Amino acid sequence: QSALTQPPSASGSPGQSVTISCSGTSSDVGAYKYVSWYHQHPGKAPKLMIYEVSKRPSGVPDRFSGSKSGNTASLTVSGLQAEDEADYYCSSYAGSNSVVFGGGTKLTVL
Amino acid sequence: QVQLQESGPGLVKPSETLSLTCAVSGYSISSGYHWGWIRQPPGKGLEWIGSIYRSGSTYYSPSLKSRVTISVDTSKNQFSLKLSSVTAADTAVYYCARVDWIFDYWGQGTLVTVSS
Repeated sequence: QSALTQPPSASGSPGQSVTISCSGTSSDVGAYKYVSWYHQHPGKAPKLMIYEVSKRPSGVPDRFSGSKSGNTASLTVSGLQAEDEADYYCSSYAGSNSVVFGGGTKLTVL
Repeated sequence: QVQLQESGPGLVKPSETLSLTCAVSGYSISSGYHWGWIRQPPGKGLEWIGSIYRSGSTYYSPSLKSRVTISVDTSKNQFSLKLSSVTAADTAVYYCARVDWIFDYWGQGTLVTVSS
């Protein structure tokens, strides 16, 4: 069970869009709909932003969207705002009642 | 509103057992969902430790399985983590969370340092 692969960093200017990828395998991301995304500000607990690939919890702006193609999931943040600067983590159900996280991506708003 | 709060010693000696408890409010553990633990070493990413269902069924990360025990006390609406034979590599912020193969509610986290 290996960690999902995310780029260590991503960046964009205010108002722009940025996409963060999350690469897994046919045993995790590719096999299940239980892909989720979290953002984490320094010193804070992670917050659920996307679940089941593309669903948004109540209160999460529609600027955040998720998708999946094969073994790779993606999170897109549109209309970047300063408060979007955070670490972003993906996770996936990996079968046998287990979960795996990605290594995290630091999003910088330029 | 579901709230979770971790508690336990912030300092554990090497080779000893780390013990944490997560108190849940705003939702009865007996009503359903899994409940889990996640950790984050300083400056690093998230790692799933394991989860437990109200029935007591447990699921552990393969990499930690030999050292982890998660238990639930529905009468107190809380669940607990024990990690044995700790080393400096177990130093991390430990989070508890409600789990449905997503983590929708999290505790604030508690830093546990392993040091003599």
